[in-house]
Amino acid sequence: QSALTQPASVSGSPGQSITISCTGTSSDIGSFNLVSWYQQHPGKAPELIIYEVTKRPSGISDHFSGSKSGNTASLTISGLRAEDEADYYCCSYAGESTVVFGGGTKLTVL
Amino acid sequence: QLQLQESGPGLVKPSETLSLSCTVSGASISSGRFYWGWVRQPPGKGLEWIGSIRYSGSTYYNPSLKSRVTLSVDSSKNQFSLNLSSVAASDTAVYFCARHPGGTVVEFDFWGQGTLVTVSS
Repeated sequence: QSALTQPASVSGSPGQSITISCTGTSSDIGSFNLVSWYQQHPGKAPELIIYEVTKRPSGISDHFSGSKSGNTASLTISGLRAEDEADYYCCSYAGESTVVFGGGTKLTVL
Repeated sequence: QLQLQESGPGLVKPSETLSLSCTVSGASISSGRFYWGWVRQPPGKGLEWIGSIRYSGSTYYNPSLKSRVTLSVDSSKNQFSLNLSSVAASDTAVYFCARHPGGTVVEFDFWGQGTLVTVSS
């Protein structure tokens, strides 16, 4: 069970859109539509922002969206805001009731 | 509103056992509806799933940690606990407890604030 691969960092200006990729294998992302995404601000607990690839929990802004193609999942943040600056983690079901996280991506809002 | 709170020693000696508890308020662990899990984050690094447990005793572990991890539930205290044996400096991390919604080990919807555990002599 290897960690999912995410870019270490991405950046964008306010109002722009950015996409964070999360690459796994045919044993995790490729086999299940069970990818979730978390936002984590410094010193805080992660917060669920996307689950089951595309769904948003109640109260999460619709400027977060998720998608998947093959072994790669993506998180898109449209209309970047200063408060979106945070670390983002993907997570996938990996079979036999196990999950695996990505290494995390630091988003900088310029 | 569901709340989770981790508790336990902040300092553990190498080769000893790290023991943490997570107290749940706003929901009953003994309802058996949910899995409850542990996730850790070494300083400056990413998240790592440790394992998850249900009231029934059903447990699932990260294969890379399975030989050292034991999870348990204490319904009288509405708590679940983590024991990690034979710790080393690499086990130094913030440990989070969290809930899996929906009765399966998939995403985590509620998290504790986390507790830093340092492994050092």
